[in-house]
Amino acid sequence: DSGVTQTPKHLITATGQRVTLRCSPRSGDLSVYWYQQSLDQGLQFLIQYYNGEERAKGNILERFSAQQFPDLHSELNLSSLELGDSALYFCASSEGDREVPEAFFGQGTRLTVV
Amino acid sequence: TQLLEQSPQFLSIQEGENLTVYCNSSSVFSSLQWYRQEPGEGPVLLVTVVTGGEVKKLKRLTFQFGDARKDSSLHITAAQPGDTGLYLCAGVKAAGNKLTFGGGTRVLVKP
Repeated sequence: DSGVTQTPKHLITATGQRVTLRCSPRSGDLSVYWYQQSLDQGLQFLIQYYNGEERAKGNILERFSAQQFPDLHSELNLSSLELGDSALYFCASSEGDREVPEAFFGQGTRLTVV
Repeated sequence: TQLLEQSPQFLSIQEGENLTVYCNSSSVFSSLQWYRQEPGEGPVLLVTVVTGGEVKKLKRLTFQFGDARKDSSLHITAAQPGDTGLYLCAGVKAAGNKLTFGGGTRVLVKP
C-alpha cells in the first residue's frame, strides 16, 4: 500500500460527459502529480501541484483541469469526454518540492468512455 | 517521440536467464529512476540514481546511470517469474522536478 488513495477505481461514462477523479496523497506529501496511461503505454505527465499551486504542466488537454485543495487532496476534471480519453489515470505524491522527487503512486482510476 | 526511449519494448525469457533493459535519451537528466508496474497497480519505485556512472544493486537487480547522465540500464540476474512486470524508467531534468517516463519494457519470465 503506497498510502496514495484514488477514487473511483473504475469509471464508465459516455462521450461528451464530464467526470471527476479524486486523489488523496500520502500523509505529509505536498506534491501531487497526475499521469495518463493508455493501453500498453508509458505514463504521460499531465500536471503537478505543490501545496495548492500549479507547479508544472505537461501534455494536458484544454478539456482537462485539475486543482489541489487546502487539505492537499487533488481532483482531475475531464470534460467533453472522447473515446480516446479511455485510459488509466494515476495520481502520485511526493514529499515536497525536492530536486529528486520520489513519487508514490496510487492504484489508478480506469476510465472507459463508451 | 519519447524523451526517454526504452528498449526492448518486450522481453520474454526463461526463469534463471539474465536480462538487460535500456533507457536512452539525447537529453541530460539530473536523476533517473526505475519503477516496476504490475497489472492493475500503480508503478512502484525501485531505485533512484543521481550521479553519472553510478551503479546501484538491489539483490539480483543492478542499475547503472551513464557517465553523461543521458542513459541508464537495468540488469536482472537469474530472473524469476516474480520479476514479471512493466519496467519504466523516469528522468528528472535539471532545474525542474517533473518526472518524465519512458515507454516501458514489458518483461515476462516464464517458469
